[in-house]
Amino acid sequence: GDSVTQMEGPVTLSEEAFLTINCTYTATGYPSLFWYVQYPGEGLQLLLKATKADDKGSNKGFEATYRKETTSFHLEKGSVQVSDSAVYFCALNTGNQFYFGTGTSLTVIP
Amino acid sequence: DTGVSQDPRHKITKRGQNVTFRCDPISEHNRLYWYRQTLGQGPEFLTYFQNEAQLEKSRLLSDRFSAERPKGSFSTLEIQRTEQGDSAMYLCASSLETGSSYEQYFGPGTRLTVT
Repeated sequence: GDSVTQMEGPVTLSEEAFLTINCTYTATGYPSLFWYVQYPGEGLQLLLKATKADDKGSNKGFEATYRKETTSFHLEKGSVQVSDSAVYFCALNTGNQFYFGTGTSLTVIP
Repeated sequence: DTGVSQDPRHKITKRGQNVTFRCDPISEHNRLYWYRQTLGQGPEFLTYFQNEAQLEKSRLLSDRFSAERPKGSFSTLEIQRTEQGDSAMYLCASSLETGSSYEQYFGPGTRLTVT
């Protein structure tokens, strides 16, 4: 079945460090891919998306590229800030259902 | 429109009691989803509506769970004869069917504690 596998956390980085959170997927057909973020005490928010192979989603300095050949959608940011501390979820959609990864907790220390 | 709202935000109930949660989606959104999220896990799909029609239910969904969306607007999720294992955050999300991508907008969730 369709699924998402996400890098396990927690991840702790110093401010201005480079961030990568790995996400790979298994899907029949051609899914759309998403990264959602959940800040402390808040609901899930869409961070970025990509709907077809080689698309790059970007938002708030975060980027992820839809790689069909490696079935991956890794999240990256060149310089993290304390305010980026949150839980990040990779997700895919293949029509009627969304499948989420288990989430990766990121803590950025000053 | 202020987004997806859910009521109540917190619910504590005793085992064996029935509970009902409400979700109000973004007004123009025709799709509505229910998820369950436990600590340290991602949202787990429960069921999905397009307008008033319930089009899909998770195979893992117990028959104690039922959801409705009677007029294609708000939705309710009822859990009968609650069990301690039902304790979780119940999330509602809505989306508008456009092209090939369905962006979901999540509500703040209802946290259920079964004692």
